[in-house]
Amino acid sequence: DVKVTQSSRYLVKRTGEKVFLECVQDMDHENMFWYRQDPGLGLRLIYFSYDVKMKEKGDIPEGYSVSREKKERFSLILESASTNQTSMYLCASSQWSGTNEKLFFGSGTQLSVL
Amino acid sequence: EDKVVQSPLSLVVHEGDTVTLNCSYEVTNFRSLLWYKQEKKAPTFLFMLTSSGIEKKSGRLSSILDKKELFSILNITATQTGDSAIYLCASPGAGSYQLTFGKGTKLSVIP
Repeated sequence: DVKVTQSSRYLVKRTGEKVFLECVQDMDHENMFWYRQDPGLGLRLIYFSYDVKMKEKGDIPEGYSVSREKKERFSLILESASTNQTSMYLCASSQWSGTNEKLFFGSGTQLSVL
Repeated sequence: EDKVVQSPLSLVVHEGDTVTLNCSYEVTNFRSLLWYKQEKKAPTFLFMLTSSGIEKKSGRLSSILDKKELFSILNITATQTGDSAIYLCASPGAGSYQLTFGKGTKLSVIP
């Protein structure tokens, strides 16, 4: 069975802390994504990566960075967490084939920044 | 800018009812429209639609695409409490790797 694993289900951090959210997929997918999900706003793309060491900004990259050193792992970094980054963070991966854009999602990390 | 709009944003029905969820889109170089179901955790894939007028079906769920009017519907018949979830629709836009998501429809099925 395909699997996207996010390292933490719930996380509580303080303002100004550096936060790492980890995501690992076991499907050998090229593409990996980080979304945040907020009530009334839906899923918004933060960053994505289509290859190792490659990254592209999504719709809301401010305050975030990413790292993809290995194909299976995509990390989201909050350099200095702020309260407005309290959200549900979803990682996803896909095998881009030109005809199938199906995403596989992790279970999400609910981050609270106090 | 690519846009995917879902309606209604929330819906409360009784078990046994039939519901229709709507998704309209304005997407450059449209290729497909996808539906996901999100319960408490990860969104799970339901359907991918690429052709107009061809219904996709899985049990009590079905979906159809209208490429002329730029919308899709998701139907759920004989709803059950287990259908309570957020239903998301999405479409890959001008960028090859990105899905643009609607805000979702929160469906609550009460006994």
